Amino acid sequence: ETGVTQTPRHLVMGMTNKKSLKCEQHLGHNAMYWYKQSAKKPLELMFVYNFKEQTENNSVPSRFSPECPNSSHLFLHLHTLQPEDSALYLCASSQEALAGTGELFFGEGSRLTVL
Amino acid sequence: KQEVTQIPAALSVPEGENLVLNCSFTDSAIYNLQWFRQDPGKGLTSLLLIQSSQREQTSGRLNASLDKSSGRSTLYIAASQPGDSATYLCAALAGGYQKVTFGTGTKLQVIP
Repeated sequence: ETGVTQTPRHLVMGMTNKKSLKCEQHLGHNAMYWYKQSAKKPLELMFVYNFKEQTENNSVPSRFSPECPNSSHLFLHLHTLQPEDSALYLCASSQEALAGTGELFFGEGSRLTVL
Repeated sequence: KQEVTQIPAALSVPEGENLVLNCSFTDSAIYNLQWFRQDPGKGLTSLLLIQSSQREQTSGRLNASLDKSSGRSTLYIAASQPGDSATYLCAALAGGYQKVTFGTGTKLQVIP
């Protein structure tokens, strides 16, 4: 596979469920990102990992918990979400978070619906 | 705080027309500006990246320009096709790579 792959593409969960979103990049990049896209709003940065270290947490509620076991994989663990958390969650990667061209490459997204 | 604005929010044109999409940003101290395309329910596809030292980039029928002094970037699409119908987003990168600010996009419809 090439590029950035996200699974699952669609997820429906209740407010008490625990689920995880997975992202894998095959580009040899060292930085990975989670973004949230809600209707009628610009993309919101959630987390940044650079060489597996978290460098940015954009005031994200603790019910979202990221995990980056290596530079190719990024997870977003979800727990006791709210209906307003329903959105398209996008994973992206770049060469590095503080060097290179800064070009971002995105996955297809995971559409989350919280009932 | 960087703000990125895209006007118009929606645009409908007949096939074959040349068109320009606009992107404005408030902080001219940007590192780069990237244009993306997003199809409904899908992720973002990178179209063009302009570094701060560059004035324009071209890829096929697409040409993006950057004027940092005026805080503007434009995406020119030549000879538009129905397959160009999508939402086009611009994103300005300033400071660290986590400081990427996206516009809300222009939804383009090309009518056959």
